[in-house]
Amino acid sequence: EAGVTQFPSHSVIEKGQTVTLRCDPISGHDNLYWYRRVMGKEIKFLLHFVKESKQDESGMPNNRFLAERTGGTYSTLKVQPAELEDSGVYFCASSKVAGTSGGKTQYFGPGTRLLVL
Amino acid sequence: AQSVTQLDSHVSVSEGTPVLLRCNYSSSYSPSLFWYVQHPNKGLQLLLKYTSAATLVKGINGFEAEFKKSETSFHLTKPSAHMSDAAEYFCVVTASTGFQKLVFGTGTRLLVSP
Repeated sequence: EAGVTQFPSHSVIEKGQTVTLRCDPISGHDNLYWYRRVMGKEIKFLLHFVKESKQDESGMPNNRFLAERTGGTYSTLKVQPAELEDSGVYFCASSKVAGTSGGKTQYFGPGTRLLVL
Repeated sequence: AQSVTQLDSHVSVSEGTPVLLRCNYSSSYSPSLFWYVQHPNKGLQLLLKYTSAATLVKGINGFEAEFKKSETSFHLTKPSAHMSDAAEYFCVVTASTGFQKLVFGTGTRLLVSP
C-alpha cells in the first residue's frame, strides 16, 4: 500500500509569488489534514478535510492560504502571495473512515520544504 | 483543549544506554496520545499510540511508553539506544472521540554517541 505522497519535496520562491503544494493521501482515506512547521516552532494544524468538505480550517493563518480537495481524493494548498514568514515544512496526513479499527491514526507524508526569499 | 509539553529540547545518550524522553499532556477530554519520530530529511513516522486500552504501549524499534493519568505523563523509553535512533521525537495529543487535529509538542532531539 502506497503511503501519503507530497509534491514537490522542495520549493524555493520569491516573496509575492504563488506556490501550490499537492498531497495524495493513502487510498481509501477520507480524512486529509494539512500541518506546517515554521522555523524553530512546533508543528501546527492547518485544516482537515472529510472527503471534499472542510471539516475544520481553524488553523489556516490568513486568506493567502487556499486549500482544496476536489473529488475527495488529492488535495492542494496554494499560497498566494507568499510571504517570508510562510517558509517552513508543510506536512500532509491522512486517516481512515470513522469507526474502523485504528481509524484515528494519522499517517504523514514526507513534507514539502518551502523557502520564501 | 489539549496541549503537550516535552520537557527536554535535546537528550544525549551513549549507544547501548537507556533512553527516556519526557512528555506531559493536558486534555479536557479523555486523550489519545502518540509518539512520532522524524529522521533527518524524512517524514513523520508513527512510533506508538495510546487509545485508552493498555496503559503500557509497545511501539516499533523497541520503544514503549506508559500512560499515567495521575501524573498526566506519557514518557517514551527504550532500554538500549542504537545509533539509528538519532532523530527528533514528537509527543502528540488529540481528543479520543471523533477525528480531530493533532496537537504536537515542540519536539525532542535525541543524540546518540558511540
